[in-house]
Amino acid sequence: QKEVEQDPGPLSVPEGAIVSLNCTYSNSAFQYFMWYRQYSRKGPELLMYTYSSGNKEDGRFTAQVDKSSKYISLFIRDSQPSDSATYLCAMRTKTSYDKVIFGPGTSLSVIP
Amino acid sequence: GAVVSQHPSWVICKSGTSVKIECRSLDFQATTMFWYRQFPKQSLMLMATSNEGSKATYEQGVEKDKFLINHASLTLSTLTVTSAHPEDSSFYICSAYRAGIEQFFGPGTRLTVL
Repeated sequence: QKEVEQDPGPLSVPEGAIVSLNCTYSNSAFQYFMWYRQYSRKGPELLMYTYSSGNKEDGRFTAQVDKSSKYISLFIRDSQPSDSATYLCAMRTKTSYDKVIFGPGTSLSVIP
Repeated sequence: GAVVSQHPSWVICKSGTSVKIECRSLDFQATTMFWYRQFPKQSLMLMATSNEGSKATYEQGVEKDKFLINHASLTLSTLTVTSAHPEDSSFYICSAYRAGIEQFFGPGTRLTVL
C-alpha cells in the first residue's frame, strides 16, 4: 500500500460546480497536510496548509482533515476554468519537514 | 507570499555536456532547499535535500556524482547535471522551506538532452 493515495482523474466538471478532491494515507503520524496546485509546466503552488484534524477555509477553497479515517479533502466552490490544473496533496509528520510525502496528483478540468 | 525563482526555465543541451540549474529564494532565507524531478503526468520525486553550508542528502537511487548540489548561501542552491544523457531529460523543480509555512516551489526547469 502506498503511503498516500489520490485518484489521478482526470476529473472534468462544468464551470460553477463544486469539486471534491481526496487523498487517503496510511501513516497515522502525519500531522501536517497541504494542498498544492500545479499548472502545466509550472512548479506547484501552495494552496492550503492545515495542522491536525478539522476544516480550514480560504475563499472558494476548503480543506478538510479527518485523521480518524486517514482521509483529507479539498473542496472548490464555484469552480472556474482557471482552476483547471493538477492538484497534489502532501503531508508530513510533526518533525519531518524534510520528508514531505506527495500524492500522485488529480488532474482537474473545468469546462466553461 | 514567498517567492522562489529558477534559472534557466528551459535548457537544451547535447549529450555529454553539463548543465547547471539555479534556485533562489527571493524574499526569505532558506536554510533548506529541495530538488525534485518530475516526469510527464507523474508526481514529484524528491532527489535530494540541500542544507546551507553542508553536503546535500541524496535519496536512494539518486547518483550524487551525477547530480551535484551546492547550497552556498541562504538564498541560492544549484543543481548541476553532469555528463547529461537523454534519459536525464525531465522537469526539475526546486523548493525552499520556510519554517511554519512549508515548502515554496520554483517554476521548474525543463531539461532536454539531445
